[in-house]
Formats: sequence, structure tokens, C-alpha cells
Amino acid sequence: QVQLVQSGAEVKKPGASVKVSCKASGYTFTSYGISWVRQAPGQGLEWMGWISAYNGNTKYAQKLQGRVTMTTDTSTSTAYMELRSLRSDDSAVYYCARDESAYYPYYFDYWGQGTLVTVSS
Amino acid sequence: QSALTQPASVSGSPGQSITISCSRTSSDVGIYNLVSWYQQHPGKAPKLMIYEASKRPSGVSNRFSGSRSGNTASLTISGLQAEDEAEYYCCSYAISNFYVFGTGTKVTVL
Repeated sequence: QVQLVQSGAEVKKPGASVKVSCKASGYTFTSYGISWVRQAPGQGLEWMGWISAYNGNTKYAQKLQGRVTMTTDTSTSTAYMELRSLRSDDSAVYYCARDESAYYPYYFDYWGQGTLVTVSS
Repeated sequence: QSALTQPASVSGSPGQSITISCSRTSSDVGIYNLVSWYQQHPGKAPKLMIYEASKRPSGVSNRFSGSRSGNTASLTISGLQAEDEAEYYCCSYAISNFYVFGTGTKVTVL
């Protein structure tokens, strides 16, 4: 069965970076995309970016351009999201989600369990 | 500021039907047939309920249905059950931002 297993909770200081992993199993990793979605406490869902596991193409949300990098390691079927220059309003639960297409925006059919990132001095 | 507007809350009694709307407020949101809907219970990851505006993934109850008319997509839950109480989000392709989520709707079963 399809599974996306994310790395554990992180506590970071303002200005630091965080890298969250998302290990996929149960499907052909390179046939799909991976999107990252975050949710601040008590808030709605915010799409952060997308990476094609097929060719590594990326699309990032405008507000995060320059601070976020998404990568994949096809040898281990793992996707990574790195967010730099952390601020307190980056505190959120971060989800990876499988995008049904490796080429264009479609929909998210499987989700990871979420990773809580807390930014605090 | 989301380009997809949803009502903040919708409620209904068990057995009733409710409809959640998702209105496109910007021409930035294109290819509206790519609207999908997600259910999220507190503390849990979202779950896909509808894709391509009206298609239901296998395993999702047929009490959930989706439709689209002009600039508004809708999710209808028929035969409302206690387990349907959750937050619901629509999502669509956005020309400038690839994806955009709706503002979210809290469904309460009275």
C-alpha cells in the first residue's frame, strides 16, 4: 500500500534552516510528483511547492521563493523540503503529499503524517 | 489571501444533505475542472474526497459528490453522519502559484 512517512518534529531558532524528509513506499516513486503543504496552528492549508519525482522540475509558492528548496533522492524514494531563514510564522505542521501527476498540477491522493516544526528563540 | 472562497461553517442534522461552495475570486485560478476536495479531522492529515470536480476516489463513500458550475465548485454530503464532522478544503490549479487551497469550511453535525 502507498505510504509516505515523514521525519520527526523539529524545534529551530529564528534564522535557522530545517530539512524535512518524506520517504515513499508502495508505488513507483518516479511516476508521480510530491507537493509540500503546511498548516499553521488553527489555520488552513497552504501549498508550498511541488517537485516532479520523474525529472526534478520544481514549482514554488511565490511567497516562499528564495527560502525553500525541494529535492528528491530516487535511489531511496525520498523527497526533501528545506526551508531557510526561519521565522516564528513558519511554525506549522508540514505535510508531504503525492501528486497524481509527475508533469502538471492534478490532485493529492496520499499524504504523509505531518511534521511539526516549531520556530522559537 | 486565497483566490478560492468557502463559507466558514456549514451545519446539518444527521441524515440531512449539506453543500459546501468554493468560489473562484480571481482569474488567476484556471482550469477549474481540476478542483479537488479534502477532508481533515482535527490532528489528522487531509484526505482526498473528490478530484476533477466530480470524481470520487475508490474507498470514499458515495454520500460525497462534487460538481462545478461556472466559477463555483461544490461538495455535497448526503445522509450526513457524525463522522463527517471535519474541516473541508477545496483546491485548484492557479496560474501564478500552481496550486491554491480554499479558505476551509468547518462542517458541524448537530
